[in-house]
Amino acid sequence: AQSVTQPDIHITVSEGASLELRCNYSYGATPYLFWYVQSPGQGLQLLLKYFSGDTLVQGIKGFEAEFKRSQSSFNLRKPSVHWSDAAEYFCAVGDTGTASKLTFGTGTRLQVTL
Amino acid sequence: SQTIHQWPATLVQPVGSPLSLECTVEGTSNPNLYWYRQAAGRGLQLLFYSVGIGQISSEVPQNLSASRPQDRQFILSSKKLLLSDSGFYLCAWARAGAASQPQHFGDGTRLSIL
Repeated sequence: AQSVTQPDIHITVSEGASLELRCNYSYGATPYLFWYVQSPGQGLQLLLKYFSGDTLVQGIKGFEAEFKRSQSSFNLRKPSVHWSDAAEYFCAVGDTGTASKLTFGTGTRLQVTL
Repeated sequence: SQTIHQWPATLVQPVGSPLSLECTVEGTSNPNLYWYRQAAGRGLQLLFYSVGIGQISSEVPQNLSASRPQDRQFILSSKKLLLSDSGFYLCAWARAGAASQPQHFGDGTRLSIL
């Protein structure tokens, strides 16, 4: 069965600093990978997705993620964090069925200090 | 463009009372539809998904049920709520017919059971 691990429950960075959120997945085939962001009391917004091709994926809000098959990782990065980036971030892996089911990690809560 | 609506935004219900949460999608046809529950620190748990009218798949045994009476309507129900049903419920949709399409989420319903 597929699974996703986000080893960092909570991360604090200073505004303007760089950010990397870790995600490791377990999946038998080529994975479909996603990053979502959730603001308090809101739904999830898709940041970016990886299906195939270029392993460095660009997303919205200045985020990018790199797929590394050898490490089973899909880490999310941003060069310079803004206070508005404070939120919870979820990594997810999708299966190959047409039901498009996703398995989510437990999330990483990002706090940004001014 | 496509939009997804969930209501109500918040709900407080006594133990043993019935439940009906509604989700509708606009701007697309025959979407895949999903209900998730989110508990603090535990990520998102897929409860039900549907690939068509009247077709419901349950992911975990529980006190809840789902129905899809119309193409773009997805309803989460319970006959008698338990304290353990408290949580944040999210509805999502995805394009049908292709593997691992990204899911798009509503704003959620915060359900508190007293």
